[in-house]
Amino acid sequence: KQEVTQIPAALSVPEGENLVLNCSFTDSAIYNLQWFRQDPGKGLTSLLLIQSSQREQTSGRLNASLDKSSGRSTLYIAASQPGDSATYLCAVTRGGSQGNLIFGKGTKLSVKP
Amino acid sequence: ETGVTQTPRHLVMGMTNKKSLKCEQHLGHNAMYWYKQSAKKPLELMFVYNFKEQTENNSVPSRFSPECPNSSHLFLHLHTLQPEDSALYLCASSQDGTNEKLFFGSGTQLSVL
Repeated sequence: KQEVTQIPAALSVPEGENLVLNCSFTDSAIYNLQWFRQDPGKGLTSLLLIQSSQREQTSGRLNASLDKSSGRSTLYIAASQPGDSATYLCAVTRGGSQGNLIFGKGTKLSVKP
Repeated sequence: ETGVTQTPRHLVMGMTNKKSLKCEQHLGHNAMYWYKQSAKKPLELMFVYNFKEQTENNSVPSRFSPECPNSSHLFLHLHTLQPEDSALYLCASSQDGTNEKLFFGSGTQLSVL
């Protein structure tokens, strides 16, 4: 059974710091991996999607890497800002399993001004 | 605005009530999903509809009844719920359900008394 773990559960950093969020999964037979952002009481916003054949994806200050063989992904946030404060969720998709994303519990990030 | 609209934003109901959650997507997508997010648990997939046909029911109790009259609208009918059903219910859509990017609504926060 696929399990997704995110460490740390919570993280507080001063503004301007570069930071890394970690995601690990137990079954390497994934179709893709997505990173989402969730603001309190809100839905999820997809940040980056990495196909299983890819190693990384970048969008602005965000960079996500994928090492399928070791079952790990990282989300790197450069020059963090207070507006980055949110919960970041990692999810993997099995091949042939429509919409069945397996989510981690998330990392709650707080960026202090 | 993500293009996926959910109503109501908040709902309080008793265990004997019948209520419905509504989701509408304005993105021209063909696949729609219901997810459940409970406190301190990862998001869980409930139902998947692709071109109005239900393609997945993730062992959801029958007190939750989905309806998809067309590709743009999705309902979740609720009856005789339990307090443990209190959660954030999220609707999502994607182009055609082949594990590509999902777009989420803001959710309905449900409290069952």
